[in-house]
Amino acid sequence: AQSVTQPDIHITVSEGASLELRCNYSYGATPYLFWYVQSPGQGLQLLLKYFSGDTLVQGIKGFEAEFKRSQSSFNLRKPSVHWSDAAEYFCAVADAGGTSYGKLTFGQGTILTVHP
Amino acid sequence: DTGVSQDPRHKITKRGQNVTFRCDPISEHNRLYWYRQTLGQGPEFLTYFQNEAQLEKSRLLSDRFSAERPKGSFSTLEIQRTEQGDSAMYLCASSWTSGWDEQYFGPGTRLTVT
Repeated sequence: AQSVTQPDIHITVSEGASLELRCNYSYGATPYLFWYVQSPGQGLQLLLKYFSGDTLVQGIKGFEAEFKRSQSSFNLRKPSVHWSDAAEYFCAVADAGGTSYGKLTFGQGTILTVHP
Repeated sequence: DTGVSQDPRHKITKRGQNVTFRCDPISEHNRLYWYRQTLGQGPEFLTYFQNEAQLEKSRLLSDRFSAERPKGSFSTLEIQRTEQGDSAMYLCASSWTSGWDEQYFGPGTRLTVT
C-alpha cells in the first residue's frame, strides 16, 4: 500500500530565511505527487503537483518541489519565507490505478511557524 | 464558481445520535471525495463517487457510515449512532474525471461527539 512520511512535525524559521519541508513516499509505480497547504479555518489548497517530466516543479506563492526517484522524495522548498506562509503543509500521493484511481494518501503534515 | 461548500461547518452532537453532512462540489466536477482528518493527522480517505456511483469505500468506513450522491450533484455523509471516536473534521473534495486532476477541498465540517 502507498504511504507518505513527513519526518518533521513542526518547523520554525525566521521571516526571509529559506525553507525545505521533507516528504518521502512509498508507491509501487510512477507516483503522482502533491503538496497542499492548510491554514486555520481554511480548506486545503494545492501548492503544486508532479506527474511526469521535469523533476523540478514550480507552484503558487513562490514554492517549488523536486522529485527524486532514487530517494523516493518530493521535498518542498521556498527561498525566502513570508510571515503569511505560516500554516500546515501536507504531502500526498495519488493512487493511479484500479478502483482507487485518484484517491489521495496524505502524510501527517508539517506545521510551519514563521518568526518575525 | 464558488468552490466546494460544506454544511454545517460545525456540529456538536451527543453520543448515539445520527448526523448528516452535506457537500456541494464545483458544478462541472464529476468526482467527489470524502476524507476524515483528526487532530495532528493528515486527511484519510473515506469514499469517493464518480457521478452518482460510489466506487470505493475505505475500511475506515464502518457500517454506521453511509454516503450518497443522488443525481451526481451534491453528496451527503451520514453517521448513525455516533461515537466519541467519530469526532473529527470531515472534508469533501471534488475534481474532474482524471485521477490526477487537482482535488478542490471544501472548508470541512467539524464534528464533536460529547
